[in-house]
Amino acid sequence: KAGVTQTPRYLIKTRGQQVTLSCSPISGHRSVSWYQQTPGQGLQFLFEYFSETQRNKGNFPGRFSGRQFSNSRSEMNVSTLELGDSALYLCASSLGGGRQETQYFGPGTRLLVL
Amino acid sequence: GDSVTQMEGPVTLSEEAFLTINCTYTATGYPSLFWYVQYPGEGLQLLLKATKADDKGSNKGFEATYRKETTSFHLEKGSVQVSDSAVYFCALSLISSGSARQLTFGSGTQLTVLP
Repeated sequence: KAGVTQTPRYLIKTRGQQVTLSCSPISGHRSVSWYQQTPGQGLQFLFEYFSETQRNKGNFPGRFSGRQFSNSRSEMNVSTLELGDSALYLCASSLGGGRQETQYFGPGTRLLVL
Repeated sequence: GDSVTQMEGPVTLSEEAFLTINCTYTATGYPSLFWYVQYPGEGLQLLLKATKADDKGSNKGFEATYRKETTSFHLEKGSVQVSDSAVYFCALSLISSGSARQLTFGSGTQLTVLP
């Protein structure tokens, strides 16, 4: 079974621009979560989507948004980029059930904001 | 709020040495516990997990036991290899509002194994 894929793998943007990142979950997985990883803040939860609905959201400003399509693929959008948005953005998928489920991570998209 | 505390790194060991990475947690409910590993330039890979008290997760020689009384989930390996060099993250998963979940991670521990 193919793993979680993320595109693009690397991205360079300038302040003020917007960016869209894409995540394709493992086949059959209906839950997609997004995390931001930075050296200073570590791994932080952004949001989770399940069956095209946002189920949970972390403590990030409204510039960070996402959506999920009927095939469970998900996109994350960051508008008005700031230097501090430079990070590795990780997507994880799971079946979408209880706390005991494993989330499977993609390789990440590395975003550099100049 | 819920949190995970990991021992500070970096940790440097010689090949075949014994490894312990401490992890303790604070949670309002009954979490599942995970260890993930991240190799340079890659995403996170699940190393092992435990979903209830006294469960032992194990994989590739690594082990961790869910200790509810001490709220701990320490990672151990009897004999490390150079290929184990990576960053290790302890994490917990809880049901939040409704059925929504999120992983809460520790700060990560960088392990370097020297030949």
